[in-house]
Amino acid sequence: QVQLQESGPGLVKPSQTLSLTCTVSGGSISSGGYYWSWIRQHPGKGLEWIGYIYYSGSTYYNPSLKSRVTISVDTSKNQFSLKLSSVTAADTAVYYCARETPLNSRFDYWGQGTLVTVSS
Amino acid sequence: DIQMTQSPSSLSASVGDRVTITCQASQDISNYLNWYQQKPGKAPKLLIYDASNLETGVPSRFSGSGSGTDFTFTISSLQPEDIATYYCQQYDNLPKTFGPGTKVDIK
Repeated sequence: QVQLQESGPGLVKPSQTLSLTCTVSGGSISSGGYYWSWIRQHPGKGLEWIGYIYYSGSTYYNPSLKSRVTISVDTSKNQFSLKLSSVTAADTAVYYCARETPLNSRFDYWGQGTLVTVSS
Repeated sequence: DIQMTQSPSSLSASVGDRVTITCQASQDISNYLNWYQQKPGKAPKLLIYDASNLETGVPSRFSGSGSGTDFTFTISSLQPEDIATYYCQQYDNLPKTFGPGTKVDIK
């Protein structure tokens, strides 16, 4: 059974960089066949797809966040990470990592989510 | 970006009722649409993919239909454990986008 777990600071100051890591267990990122995505949800709001990475390191980012987002992968640790720079209060959200099947974009496994608050 | 709308934004129904949610895309997305269920404080759960295919392990009271721009999600007999918010998601074009959600509760 694949499991994903987000980790990282729950509080980030404005203008700083938000950094989160997703640790995958029960499956290997390096085996390929899946995209590894980040999705966020503003408090009481809907879902926003941030971007994905493939095990090879190829990425695609949501254009609305592209200038501030970096997603990277560490196959030796079976982890992938999100960095979001120059954060503001508008970046306060629950951040989820998820596995995605490329064929039909099924987000079939999700982490539990982690709340990141941007505040001084 | 492809914009997704859902209606209603919320609904109340009795146990055993048939519940229908609609999702509309701002342009033709063929059948490139998935449905998710999110319970409070939990991550979304995939229910339906490719507009009408039931994800493994999901009860058969859930179903989906539609293609092009108009889609329907149905719970044939609402159960207490179905209280949640339901989201549609398109993947025809990047970036993938979600609908605003429909909150379902028990009357």
